[in-house]
Amino acid sequence: SAVISQKPSRDICQRGTSLTIQCQVDSQVTMMFWYRQQPGQSLTLIATANQGSEATYESGFVIDKFPISRPNLTFSTLTVSNMSPEDSSIYLCSVGPGGETQYFGPGTRLLVL
Amino acid sequence: AQSVTQLDSHVSVSEGTPVLLRCNYSSSYSPSLFWYVQHPNKGLQLLLKYTSAATLVKGINGFEAEFKKSETSFHLTKPSAHMSDAAEYFCVVSGAAGNKLTFGGGTRVLVKP
Repeated sequence: SAVISQKPSRDICQRGTSLTIQCQVDSQVTMMFWYRQQPGQSLTLIATANQGSEATYESGFVIDKFPISRPNLTFSTLTVSNMSPEDSSIYLCSVGPGGETQYFGPGTRLLVL
Repeated sequence: AQSVTQLDSHVSVSEGTPVLLRCNYSSSYSPSLFWYVQHPNKGLQLLLKYTSAATLVKGINGFEAEFKKSETSFHLTKPSAHMSDAAEYFCVVSGAAGNKLTFGGGTRVLVKP
């Protein structure tokens, strides 16, 4: 398995601002993933972040709104831009170090006022 | 494409009684299937996974799941519920590439003393 940390663990933000979420893993991994979990809902994949290439976004998610960086094999960031209350969610990163199984970080709980 | 349906959004059991969480999947190929658990204000933890080996899969904390291809089901069971089992449970199927996960809607388990 892998140990994953996220910063911040939670935040309250004003609409129109942006927040960058960090994801750090304790080993080198090829693939990192970002998910959104809206209140009372299941998880939805936002994008796949591969080191050395642009992130691959799922339908309904765009780079201008959710820019992602992946500077190395242990770190990634997700920015939630120009936030609105609808962006209030838990944002989780995950890694798939050796195949299909993914391990998840603790999540970042975001509230947008 | 694949999809996952968790048949119960909420399950309530008494401590010491069996737990059954139902999951049906749809996939155009032989999928890998997972169960994850999310305790309140925590990240997701892998309970178990099926990857075309034995159809009865044993996981952590006394949970097990049985893969039934003819019924396209992957139900999760535990013979005796504990108070610490109160959480949300997600049935998950992997994509054809093996790295894109599709989550079911989740089942929230309440354990009564």
